[in-house]
Amino acid sequence: SYVLTQPPSVSGAPGQTARITCGGDNIGSKSVHWYQQKPGQAPVLVVYDNNDRPSGIPARFSGSNSGNTATLTISRVGAGDEADYYCQVCDRSSEHWVFGGGTKLTVL
Amino acid sequence: QVQLVQSGAEVKKPGASVKVSCKASGYTFIAYYMYWVRQAPGQGLEWMGLINPSGGSTTYAQKFQGRVTMTRDTSTSTVYMELSSLRSEDTAVYYCARGDCSSFTCWADYWGQGTLVTVSS
Repeated sequence: SYVLTQPPSVSGAPGQTARITCGGDNIGSKSVHWYQQKPGQAPVLVVYDNNDRPSGIPARFSGSNSGNTATLTISRVGAGDEADYYCQVCDRSSEHWVFGGGTKLTVL
Repeated sequence: QVQLVQSGAEVKKPGASVKVSCKASGYTFIAYYMYWVRQAPGQGLEWMGLINPSGGSTTYAQKFQGRVTMTRDTSTSTVYMELSSLRSEDTAVYYCARGDCSSFTCWADYWGQGTLVTVSS
């Protein structure tokens, strides 16, 4: 089965740029979606289809996907961005989903 | 506005079954797939399966085949997820999530608030 690999943790200083990676075999051929989850809350979609943002998500959140790595980039990070972030892909033929293991973003 | 409202927390004994509901509102119920995702304490997200509310067809993750049943009631815009033969490892928060899809992929654009299921003797 398909495996998505994320670093357990990423940190960044306030105002800087944080990058969270999601590795998978030829993931560049798939569409990747990203969710933010704060403690005690349900996940929230922040990027879908590699680099589209739902309404209400600031442009500070962006995504890219090429080769074996997809990346969620959060610019000008602040305390409000501290959360767990999960990548996800969907195999449209089988309709199965796969989630990455999640990355905890800490704003120093 | 789109809302997914789930049923309340449950405590079950090992071997029992649990049925979690998810009532949708604010959109055309049969137009979007509904997915179920669970999260064990301190762990990541785990996909369980989906139901197409239009015809009721389902797709389950292999891990849950034979133990999970997803159904829907179009008259009340509610989907249900029943998990049987519960064991302690099934202790988790269970989420329903509305799926939006393009030609090639699907993602969850709205999530329920989650239902904590605790399995304990």
